[in-house]
Amino acid sequence: DTAVSQTPKYLVTQMGNDKSIKCEQNLGHDTMYWYKQDSKKFLKIMFSYNNKELIINETVPNRFSPKSPDKAHLNLHINSLELGDSAVYFCASSQAFGRYEQYFGPGTRLTVT
Amino acid sequence: GDSVTQMEGPVTLSEEAFLTINCTYTATGYPSLFWYVQYPGEGLQLLLKATKADDKGSNKGFEATYRKETTSFHLEKGSVQVSDSAVYFCALSDRGETSGSRLTFGEGTQLTVNP
Repeated sequence: DTAVSQTPKYLVTQMGNDKSIKCEQNLGHDTMYWYKQDSKKFLKIMFSYNNKELIINETVPNRFSPKSPDKAHLNLHINSLELGDSAVYFCASSQAFGRYEQYFGPGTRLTVT
Repeated sequence: GDSVTQMEGPVTLSEEAFLTINCTYTATGYPSLFWYVQYPGEGLQLLLKATKADDKGSNKGFEATYRKETTSFHLEKGSVQVSDSAVYFCALSDRGETSGSRLTFGEGTQLTVNP
């Protein structure tokens, strides 16, 4: 059983399109995250939700909108995709809000052409 | 703000060589420290962690000791294998109402182990 899963694994789309990435965790965790990994493999947090409530919202363009329908799911919707959005997006979860280890999904490689 | 600095890669070793990947950090509080590993085409896996000074995290032959006096968390392994080839990330999670749930990562170090 996959602890943190993401769909799709690969996403190729054109500039200006709108796309969504889905994330689910079956660990019973309260807190979920989205991270972006750029082409140099640098990882940076984008958002964090705790019990469906947005806690962390980094300096991310408002074209990016996370949604958490329940504690086990955190989706990422991106409007008007740009070339610079090409990256690998990782979902993660942790037991609770605080200094707990985080468990990562396999990533979604987004390519905008 | 918080930051993590790792030794620059890539690092190339022969099988059974000794590995050290340096990691130093800057944090406003008293962070927890982590090493994550990313195998090709996969997500990040937690390798080991330490939550207070002088703690030693260890897993799969890797170990790292939380050194508050030098603000370091260097990763070591006595004898690397080809299967250890991956990207290694040092990370911290600081105290604070929101920062405590945020991992700040180093740049990552690509390790290649040759037979």
